[in-house]
Amino acid sequence: NAGVTQTPKFRILKIGQSMTLQCTQDMNHNYMYWYRQDPGMGLKLIYYSVGAGITDKGEVPNGYNVSRSTTEDFPLRLELAAPSQTSVYFCASSSASQYTGAIFGSGTRLTVV
Amino acid sequence: EDKVVQSPLSLVVHEGDTVTLNCSYEVTNFRSLLWYKQEKKAPTFLFMLTSSGIEKKSGRLSSILDKKELFSILNITATQTGDSAVYLCAVLTGNQFYFGTGTSLTVIP
Repeated sequence: NAGVTQTPKFRILKIGQSMTLQCTQDMNHNYMYWYRQDPGMGLKLIYYSVGAGITDKGEVPNGYNVSRSTTEDFPLRLELAAPSQTSVYFCASSSASQYTGAIFGSGTRLTVV
Repeated sequence: EDKVVQSPLSLVVHEGDTVTLNCSYEVTNFRSLLWYKQEKKAPTFLFMLTSSGIEKKSGRLSSILDKKELFSILNITATQTGDSAVYLCAVLTGNQFYFGTGTSLTVIP
């Protein structure tokens, strides 16, 4: 199993540009999450989804959008990139019971210049 | 507001030492507490704790939860350089995992 796959691994954006971070999982997990991690900080939840067609805001949703059209995919869209969005982004998924914790992708390092 | 606080923020020890990492929380709708290890990449799952007083153990790592006092500890005995990492505590509330800022552990040979 591939687990949780994120693309791209690295990206540099100019201020005002837009991009989509891709996330796909092959574990048939209902729950999916997007986190950002700033240097020396913990993980902050951006958006999450409890199933296809259902999304909800986390702690820091401003400047981002998500969609969940299938169980496998949970893309994160950045509109009008700003330097404050420079961070490492992690996608994660978990089963409905959530009793095995969240499984993380390898992350996307995004720099906005 | 839900809150997860870890201490210390960082720790430097020598190989063979024993360390204790702390995690306290104030959340609504607590379901479980999790520990992760992060080594310059994605966090990897260590333990999930749901019941007070029951120790979870994996090799040299062990963890216990106190739901009355709202904290958990992660112990690492006989530390090795491979234990150097950031250890993250997370609390599952409702449908969300709330993470602390982590404890950075450095083990010196």
